[in-house]
Amino acid sequence: DAEITQSPRHKITETGRQVTLACHQTWNHNNMFWYRQDLGHGLRLIHYSYGVQDTNKGEVSDGYSVSRSNTEDLPLTLESAASSQTSVYFCASGNSGNTIYFGEGSWLTVV
Amino acid sequence: LAKTTQPISMDSYEGQEVNITCSHNNIATNDYITWYQQFPSQGPRFIIQGYKTKVTNEVASLFIPADRKSSTLSLPRVSLSDTAVYYCLVLANQAGTALIFGKGTTLSVSS
Repeated sequence: DAEITQSPRHKITETGRQVTLACHQTWNHNNMFWYRQDLGHGLRLIHYSYGVQDTNKGEVSDGYSVSRSNTEDLPLTLESAASSQTSVYFCASGNSGNTIYFGEGSWLTVV
Repeated sequence: LAKTTQPISMDSYEGQEVNITCSHNNIATNDYITWYQQFPSQGPRFIIQGYKTKVTNEVASLFIPADRKSSTLSLPRVSLSDTAVYYCLVLANQAGTALIFGKGTTLSVSS
Protein backbone atom coordinates (compact mmCIF):
# COMPACT_ATOMS: atom_id res chain seq x y z
CA ASP A 1 0.00 0.00 0.00
CA ALA A 2 1.08 3.56 -0.64
CA GLU A 3 2.19 5.41 2.45
CA ILE A 4 4.00 8.33 3.97
CA THR A 5 6.92 7.68 6.28
CA GLN A 6 9.01 9.90 8.50
CA SER A 7 12.45 9.30 9.91
CA PRO A 8 13.82 9.35 12.44
CA ARG A 9 10.81 8.87 14.67
CA HIS A 10 12.71 10.08 17.70
CA LYS A 11 15.87 12.16 17.91
CA ILE A 12 17.81 13.99 20.57
CA THR A 13 20.31 16.57 19.38
CA GLU A 14 22.41 19.35 20.79
CA THR A 15 21.88 23.05 20.39
CA GLY A 16 23.59 24.40 17.30
CA ARG A 17 23.69 21.15 15.36
CA GLN A 18 22.13 20.76 11.95
CA VAL A 19 19.31 18.24 11.86
CA THR A 20 17.41 16.79 8.93
CA LEU A 21 14.07 15.07 9.22
CA ALA A 22 13.10 12.90 6.28
CA CYS A 23 9.66 12.54 4.74
CA HIS A 24 8.92 10.05 1.99
CA GLN A 25 5.60 9.34 0.29
CA THR A 26 4.75 6.72 -2.27
CA TRP A 27 1.41 8.12 -3.46
CA ASN A 28 3.02 10.34 -6.10
CA HIS A 29 1.32 13.34 -4.49
CA ASN A 30 2.29 16.76 -5.82
CA ASN A 31 1.81 18.57 -2.52
CA MET A 32 3.83 18.03 0.63
CA PHE A 33 3.77 19.87 3.94
CA TRP A 34 5.71 20.09 7.18
CA TYR A 35 4.00 21.02 10.44
CA ARG A 36 5.18 21.29 14.00
CA GLN A 37 3.02 20.69 17.01
CA ASP A 38 4.06 21.73 20.48
CA LEU A 39 2.63 20.01 23.51
CA GLY A 40 -1.00 20.95 23.97
CA HIS A 41 -1.14 23.12 20.89
CA GLY A 42 -2.34 22.92 17.32
CA LEU A 43 -0.48 22.31 14.10
CA ARG A 44 1.61 25.11 12.67
CA LEU A 45 2.75 25.08 9.06
CA ILE A 46 6.51 25.34 8.57
CA HIS A 47 7.08 24.86 4.84
CA TYR A 48 5.19 23.39 1.94
CA SER A 49 5.78 22.35 -1.63
CA TYR A 50 3.43 22.02 -4.58
CA GLY A 51 5.81 20.22 -6.86
CA VAL A 52 9.41 19.46 -7.68
CA GLN A 53 11.64 22.50 -7.19
CA ASP A 54 8.77 24.40 -5.55
CA THR A 55 9.03 25.39 -1.88
CA ASN A 56 7.13 27.95 0.15
CA LYS A 57 7.35 29.38 3.64
CA GLY A 58 4.58 28.72 6.10
CA GLU A 59 3.63 30.31 9.41
CA VAL A 60 6.79 29.44 11.31
CA SER A 61 9.59 28.99 8.77
CA ASP A 62 12.45 30.80 10.54
CA GLY A 63 15.29 28.39 11.29
CA TYR A 64 13.97 25.72 8.90
CA SER A 65 14.55 24.92 5.25
CA VAL A 66 13.24 22.35 2.77
CA SER A 67 14.15 21.21 -0.70
CA ARG A 68 12.11 19.25 -3.24
CA SER A 69 14.31 17.45 -5.73
CA ASN A 70 11.79 14.72 -6.54
CA THR A 71 8.11 14.00 -6.04
CA GLU A 72 8.51 11.52 -3.21
CA ASP A 73 10.66 13.40 -0.70
CA LEU A 74 10.56 16.64 1.25
CA PRO A 75 13.34 16.70 3.86
CA LEU A 76 13.14 19.34 6.59
CA THR A 77 16.42 20.82 7.80
CA LEU A 78 16.99 22.70 11.01
CA GLU A 79 20.03 24.79 10.19
CA SER A 80 21.17 25.30 13.79
CA ALA A 81 18.92 23.55 16.25
CA ALA A 82 17.57 25.58 19.16
CA SER A 83 15.73 24.47 22.29
CA SER A 84 12.66 26.31 21.00
CA GLN A 85 12.54 23.81 18.16
CA THR A 86 11.89 20.91 20.50
CA SER A 87 8.60 19.65 19.16
CA VAL A 88 6.88 16.90 17.24
CA TYR A 89 7.06 17.33 13.49
CA PHE A 90 4.45 16.00 11.09
CA CYS A 91 4.83 15.61 7.37
CA ALA A 92 1.78 15.41 5.10
CA SER A 93 1.07 14.93 1.42
CA GLY A 94 -1.87 15.18 -0.96
CA ASN A 95 -3.08 16.48 -4.28
CA SER A 96 -4.83 19.83 -4.72
CA GLY A 97 -8.46 19.70 -3.66
CA ASN A 98 -8.08 16.27 -2.16
CA THR A 99 -7.46 15.18 1.37
CA ILE A 100 -3.96 15.20 2.74
CA TYR A 101 -2.44 12.34 4.68
CA PHE A 102 -0.12 12.66 7.62
CA GLY A 103 2.90 10.70 8.68
CA GLU A 104 3.30 9.33 12.19
CA GLY A 105 5.47 12.18 13.37
CA SER A 106 9.08 12.79 14.37
CA TRP A 107 9.78 13.67 17.98
CA LEU A 108 12.75 16.04 18.23
CA THR A 109 14.39 17.11 21.46
CA VAL A 110 17.06 19.80 21.41
CA VAL A 111 19.22 19.87 24.53
CA LEU B 1 -7.35 31.42 2.11
CA ALA B 2 -10.48 30.54 4.05
CA LYS B 3 -10.05 30.95 7.79
CA THR B 4 -11.97 28.51 9.95
CA THR B 5 -13.50 29.03 13.37
CA GLN B 6 -14.71 26.21 15.62
CA PRO B 7 -15.39 25.81 19.34
CA ILE B 8 -12.32 25.22 21.48
CA SER B 9 -13.87 22.36 23.42
CA MET B 10 -16.97 20.22 23.79
CA ASP B 11 -18.06 17.64 26.32
CA SER B 12 -20.34 14.68 25.74
CA TYR B 13 -21.36 11.33 27.17
CA GLU B 14 -21.12 7.95 25.60
CA GLY B 15 -23.96 7.12 23.26
CA GLN B 16 -24.84 10.72 22.47
CA GLU B 17 -24.66 12.37 19.07
CA VAL B 18 -22.09 15.14 18.84
CA ASN B 19 -22.25 17.99 16.37
CA ILE B 20 -19.23 20.23 15.85
CA THR B 21 -19.78 23.32 13.73
CA CYS B 22 -17.09 25.12 11.81
CA SER B 23 -17.49 28.52 10.19
CA HIS B 24 -15.59 29.43 7.03
CA ASN B 25 -17.15 32.65 5.82
CA ASN B 26 -14.75 33.35 2.98
CA ILE B 27 -14.70 29.91 1.42
CA ALA B 28 -14.01 30.00 -2.30
CA THR B 29 -16.13 28.39 -4.98
CA ASN B 30 -13.77 25.47 -5.59
CA ASP B 31 -12.78 24.81 -1.98
CA TYR B 32 -13.57 21.54 -0.20
CA ILE B 33 -14.30 21.13 3.50
CA THR B 34 -12.38 18.43 5.29
CA TRP B 35 -12.36 17.21 8.86
CA TYR B 36 -9.52 15.51 10.69
CA GLN B 37 -9.27 13.70 14.00
CA GLN B 38 -6.14 13.67 16.10
CA PHE B 39 -5.32 11.51 19.10
CA PRO B 40 -2.42 12.37 21.41
CA SER B 41 0.98 11.50 19.97
CA GLN B 42 -0.47 10.67 16.56
CA GLY B 43 -0.77 12.48 13.26
CA PRO B 44 -4.17 13.83 12.22
CA ARG B 45 -6.39 11.27 10.54
CA PHE B 46 -8.83 12.06 7.75
CA ILE B 47 -12.47 11.65 8.75
CA ILE B 48 -14.64 13.08 6.01
CA GLN B 49 -14.66 15.56 3.15
CA GLY B 50 -17.46 17.33 1.33
CA TYR B 51 -18.30 20.13 -1.07
CA LYS B 52 -22.00 20.73 -0.47
CA THR B 53 -25.16 19.24 1.08
CA LYS B 54 -24.54 16.05 3.02
CA VAL B 55 -21.84 13.43 3.01
CA THR B 56 -21.91 10.30 5.13
CA ASN B 57 -19.40 7.54 5.69
CA GLU B 58 -18.99 4.79 8.24
CA VAL B 59 -17.54 7.19 10.80
CA ALA B 60 -19.41 10.48 10.51
CA SER B 61 -21.70 12.76 8.57
CA LEU B 62 -20.89 16.18 7.22
CA PHE B 63 -23.61 18.75 6.68
CA ILE B 64 -22.93 21.77 4.49
CA PRO B 65 -25.63 24.41 3.92
CA ALA B 66 -26.24 25.96 0.55
CA ASP B 67 -24.13 29.05 1.24
CA ARG B 68 -21.21 26.82 2.36
CA LYS B 69 -20.15 29.38 4.96
CA SER B 70 -20.26 26.75 7.67
CA SER B 71 -20.22 23.00 8.07
CA THR B 72 -21.19 20.59 10.80
CA LEU B 73 -19.44 17.35 11.63
CA SER B 74 -21.84 14.88 13.19
CA LEU B 75 -20.55 11.92 15.19
CA PRO B 76 -23.33 9.44 15.96
CA ARG B 77 -23.33 7.66 19.32
CA VAL B 78 -19.88 8.64 20.49
CA SER B 79 -17.76 6.38 22.66
CA LEU B 80 -14.81 7.04 24.95
CA SER B 81 -12.48 6.35 22.04
CA ASP B 82 -13.85 9.38 20.19
CA THR B 83 -12.13 11.66 22.69
CA ALA B 84 -9.76 13.60 20.45
CA VAL B 85 -9.12 16.92 18.78
CA TYR B 86 -11.16 17.58 15.65
CA TYR B 87 -9.94 19.98 12.98
CA CYS B 88 -11.94 21.62 10.25
CA LEU B 89 -9.90 22.50 7.19
CA VAL B 90 -10.78 24.16 3.93
CA LEU B 91 -8.83 22.66 1.05
CA ALA B 92 -8.31 24.88 -1.96
CA ASN B 93 -8.60 23.08 -5.26
CA GLN B 94 -5.61 24.87 -6.65
CA ALA B 95 -1.89 24.62 -6.19
CA GLY B 96 0.08 27.12 -4.18
CA THR B 97 -2.28 27.53 -1.26
CA ALA B 98 -0.98 27.03 2.25
CA LEU B 99 -3.01 24.70 4.46
CA ILE B 100 -3.36 26.41 7.81
CA PHE B 101 -4.96 24.50 10.65
CA GLY B 102 -7.04 26.24 13.26
CA LYS B 103 -6.87 25.33 16.92
CA GLY B 104 -9.39 22.53 16.55
CA THR B 105 -12.11 21.35 18.91
CA THR B 106 -11.16 19.14 21.83
CA LEU B 107 -13.97 16.65 22.34
CA SER B 108 -14.11 14.92 25.69
CA VAL B 109 -16.41 11.92 26.00
CA SER B 110 -17.27 10.64 29.45
CA SER B 111 -19.00 7.49 30.61
